[in-house]
Amino acid sequence: GAGVSQSPSNKVTEKGKDVELRCDPISGHTALYWYRQSLGQGLEFLIYFQGNSAPDKSGLPSDRFSAERTGGSVSTLTIQRTQQEDSAVYLCASSWAPGNSPLHFGNGTRLTVT
Amino acid sequence: KQEVTQIPAALSVPEGENLVLNCSFTDSAIYNLQWFRQDPGKGLTSLLLIQSSQREQTSGRLNASLDKSSGRSTLYIAASQPGDSATYLCAVVMDTGRRALTFGSGTRLQVQP
Repeated sequence: GAGVSQSPSNKVTEKGKDVELRCDPISGHTALYWYRQSLGQGLEFLIYFQGNSAPDKSGLPSDRFSAERTGGSVSTLTIQRTQQEDSAVYLCASSWAPGNSPLHFGNGTRLTVT
Repeated sequence: KQEVTQIPAALSVPEGENLVLNCSFTDSAIYNLQWFRQDPGKGLTSLLLIQSSQREQTSGRLNASLDKSSGRSTLYIAASQPGDSATYLCAVVMDTGRRALTFGSGTRLQVQP
């Protein structure tokens, strides 16, 4: 059984460009989370999916951030018009039952905006 | 708003020592609490999950306790090994139906051989 897979592992982009980050959760996991971890900061919640719907988007920092999930599986986090403050490690996690079973994290995508 | 605090921020111990990591949370209305470890450049690995109705959970040399009413949890590591060196994070899920985890900022543990 493969774990949570994220791609790319590293992304360097110029300020103002759009980026897409991908997450492949563990097969059968219905819950999927996106978190952001900045240098010296804790984990910041971004968005949570149950199946293909997102009942909690409260952590998205601005309307430049969006995410979708298709087929109850793969999720994409899109950041439009990237800013330097978007530089961080973006972590994806999945679980069987939302909030009630251990979270399995991917290794993250390290985003650097120059 | 729930706040999760972990003390100390960093800890260095000699191999073989037993140690305790602390986690406190401001709102006791939690659904569960999880402990994770994070190795440099990696994602988080779940260690233990304690439901709000439970007092403790054990896995190998790890024991996590929960005192919900006082807003505290501890992670006890017995007979520490250099391979235990990592950052340990605790996180809570609120008992409000909201399923996002709120994380502490972690304790960075170094076990000296």
